Amino acid sequence: EVQLVESGGGLVKPGGSLRLSCAASGFIFSAHSMNWVRQAPGKGLQWVSSISSSSIYIYYADSVKGRFTISRDDAKNSLYLQINSLRAEDAAVYYCARGGDHDYWGQGTLVTVSS
Amino acid sequence: DIQMTQSPSSLSASVGDRVTITCRASQGISNYLAWFQQKPGSAPKSLIYAASSLQSGVPSKFSGSGSGTDFTLTISSLQPEDFATYYCQQYNSYPRTFGQGTKLEIK
Repeated sequence: EVQLVESGGGLVKPGGSLRLSCAASGFIFSAHSMNWVRQAPGKGLQWVSSISSSSIYIYYADSVKGRFTISRDDAKNSLYLQINSLRAEDAAVYYCARGGDHDYWGQGTLVTVSS
Repeated sequence: DIQMTQSPSSLSASVGDRVTITCRASQGISNYLAWFQQKPGSAPKSLIYAASSLQSGVPSKFSGSGSGTDFTLTISSLQPEDFATYYCQQYNSYPRTFGQGTKLEIK
C-alpha cells in the first residue's frame, strides 16, 4: 500500500525557517517524481515544487523561488522541503504528492506563521 | 503560466442526480489533466488522470472527458459521500496549476 507521511510543520515566526519531510513507503520511491502542494486555510490547492527522479529536474512556483528548496533522499525514501524566510502568506497545510499526475497524497502538515 | 478555470464554483444537487463540472485551460494541454476530490479536513484524493482514466479503486460513477483546452468531470447517481470540493489540475507544463475548485453541496 502506497503511503506518504508528512512531518515537520509547526509554528514559526516571520522570517524563520522550517524543514518539512515526507516519508514514502509501499512503492519504489526512486522511480517517481515527487511534489509539494499547499493549501492555505479556506483556500484552494497551490502547487509549490516538484523534483524528478534522480533529482535531475527541479521546479518551483514563482512565489517560493529563492526561499524554498526541494530535495530527496532515495536511500531513505524521503522527500524534503526546506522553507526559509517564511512569510505570513506561506501559512498552509503542506502536502506531498507522487508523480506527474499526483496520484497519491499524504495527510499534510500544518505550517503556521505568527509572531 | 496556464490558467485553469472551473465552472461552476459551487453546485447544489440532490442524492441520485448526475452532475457535470467543467474545467477550461488557457492554452492546450493535450490530455494532461487530473481531477481530485477533497472532503473537509482531508487530503485531496485522485479520481482521474490523463483526462479520462480512472484511478485504481475509484468507482465508475466518476468519468472524465476532454482534450486540448476543455474538460469535464461527470458524477452519476450522487450519494452523500460524493458531496465535496473538486479540483482539476494540468500537468502538461510547469508551473503546475489547479482550478479554483467546485464545491458540490446537497440541495
